[in-house]
Amino acid sequence: DSGVTQTPKHLITATGQRVTLRCSPRSGDLSVYWYQQSLDQGLQFLIQYYNGEERAKGNILERFSAQQFPDLHSELNLSSLELGDSALYFCASSARQQGNYGYTFGSGTRLTVV
Amino acid sequence: GQQVMQIPQYQHVQEGEDFTTYCNSSTTLSNIQWYKQRPGGHPVFLIQLVKSGEVKKQKRLTFQFGEAKKNSSLHITATQTTDVGTYFCAVKAAGNKLTFGGGTRVLVKP
Repeated sequence: DSGVTQTPKHLITATGQRVTLRCSPRSGDLSVYWYQQSLDQGLQFLIQYYNGEERAKGNILERFSAQQFPDLHSELNLSSLELGDSALYFCASSARQQGNYGYTFGSGTRLTVV
Repeated sequence: GQQVMQIPQYQHVQEGEDFTTYCNSSTTLSNIQWYKQRPGGHPVFLIQLVKSGEVKKQKRLTFQFGEAKKNSSLHITATQTTDVGTYFCAVKAAGNKLTFGGGTRVLVKP
């Protein structure tokens, strides 16, 4: 157990639907990052939050949005889902916004759009 | 933003042999991190390199940061089946986001 909790582990939904992925960072970590990993692909950065505020954005689609709540958990909302959105979505946390710390990843949510 | 290229994309290794995977950048890097992702698992942080020419070891794994801080390597000696997985290098980009290389997928032949 890495200390980063992601739910659900698996999600199967139809095209056009909307889903919410949830992440609880490791205790004490203020930064949360979301990554997308398609089949046999690398890790694509989506978005970063630090203590409730958005701090960096990657190539995140307009259909996707995220937020970090006062208790520091984060949610990634994916809407108008397309087949190509099927992927593993990882959440990671780190101890500080700036610093020489590695990221701690959760186990991921596997999203299948049918 | 900063990008890194990893080679090779795939590495088939006979158990007991050594191999090296490389991470290259066209720009100078402030630091570089390495992660390992087992099949079906999530990336796990291995190490961070910061100084020019830095070498760090973790048991059979040796990590090196180039003198010009534009490349890095991961060398594994006496490969074991537990080394199977994808090894990623990653660099901090603007806004503190971590940008990952494409990874080297390691397959071990017993």
